[in-house]
Amino acid sequence: ILNVEQSPQSLHVQEGDSTNFTCSFPSSNFYALHWYRWETAKSPEALFVMTLNGDEKKKGRISATLNTKEGYSYLYIKGSQPEDSATYLCAFYNTDKLIFGTGTRLQVFP
Amino acid sequence: EAGVAQSPRYKIIEKRQSVAFWCNPISGHATLYWYQQILGQGPKLLIQFQNNGVVDDSQLPKDRFSAERLKGVDSTLKIQPAKLEDSAVYLCASSLVGGVGTDTQYFGPGTRLTVL
Repeated sequence: ILNVEQSPQSLHVQEGDSTNFTCSFPSSNFYALHWYRWETAKSPEALFVMTLNGDEKKKGRISATLNTKEGYSYLYIKGSQPEDSATYLCAFYNTDKLIFGTGTRLQVFP
Repeated sequence: EAGVAQSPRYKIIEKRQSVAFWCNPISGHATLYWYQQILGQGPKLLIQFQNNGVVDDSQLPKDRFSAERLKGVDSTLKIQPAKLEDSAVYLCASSLVGGVGTDTQYFGPGTRLTVL
């Protein structure tokens, strides 16, 4: 059974703090890793699709890195804002479907 | 561009009742997905359609769940009869192609089902 793990499960930070979370996935048969942001009562929003070892992607204050050899990806948020409060999901593409982690729930306090 | 639409947004039913969810994907997207997200878990794929054909329904509990995609556009997911453990958020997603690891899936807002 393929397992995608995310840590921490939840995180509370102050506005302005920088933060990061981890997504661990099987290092064999890697195809792609997806990151999503899911705000309460809204649709999950695609952030990044990562495919190459050493890949680094950036979108505003959010960036992500990928290590396919050791099976992990980091998501960084620089200078967190209250509007960054959401659940961040990673998903490992396994031959034919996305396998999601349980997410990291981020709460940013003003 | 309009996103993925789902209805209803919330539904409360009693066990053994039936329920149906509706999804309208992004126009032109060939692939449509239904996911189940139980509290504390990640979304789990229930069924994937490519146009109006089923690609993967290996995790769909077929004794009580059914889904169809009419004319390769809209889709409905039905539960009959519902059990307490079906309480979850049901997410619909669509993608342009499907079957490719880099194909981004676009999600609707989900239907939150509570079974009492």
